Amino acid sequence: EDQVTQSPEALRLQEGESSSLNCSYTVSGLRGLFWYRQDPGKGPEFLFTLYSAGEEKEKERLKATLTKKESFLHITAPKPEDSATYLCAVQEGAQKLVFGQGTRLTINP
Amino acid sequence: NAGVTQTPKFQVLKTGQSMTLQCAQDMNHEYMSWYRQDPGMGLRLIHYSVGAGITDQGEVPNGYNVSRSTTEDFPLRLLSAAPSQTSVYFCASSYSKGLADTQYFGPGTRLTVL
Repeated sequence: EDQVTQSPEALRLQEGESSSLNCSYTVSGLRGLFWYRQDPGKGPEFLFTLYSAGEEKEKERLKATLTKKESFLHITAPKPEDSATYLCAVQEGAQKLVFGQGTRLTINP
Repeated sequence: NAGVTQTPKFQVLKTGQSMTLQCAQDMNHEYMSWYRQDPGMGLRLIHYSVGAGITDQGEVPNGYNVSRSTTEDFPLRLLSAAPSQTSVYFCASSYSKGLADTQYFGPGTRLTVL
């Protein structure tokens, strides 16, 4: 059975304090790993798709990396507007996503 | 493009009542799906469809029905609401059937069953 575990559950940082969020997964044949951002009361917003180990993608202060067992979402010099819940999901079969429980990130000014 | 739209935004039901959550997309996406999100549980797949006339069950299908008569619409029906169905429901769509294509989510419907 596919499993996705995100850590930590919650993370509080000061503005400018860089850190990383972790997504560990077990899946027999990874088709893709997705990162989403979710603001309170909103639907998940797509950030990145990673397809194979060694792949990296960047967007503003965020950088996602992928190994055979886990993915990291690195956040560099975060700002308060980066506060959100970050969701990781893996896809094995046709389009079915399995989500982790999310990391709730708070950036204090 | 409006993207993925969902109605209503909020709904309160009594136990045993039935209702339909609406989902529509204007991106000509073949794949559509319904998830529920509960605290500490993450998003869980209820039902999905790979095209008009084709639906299948996800991880938590009991108590829900779906149909897909058009490419654009994918309604979710609660036949007899139960308090355990109190949740936030999200609809999502993507273009491709087979590849790892990005799923785009709607704004959600917050459902409370009393």
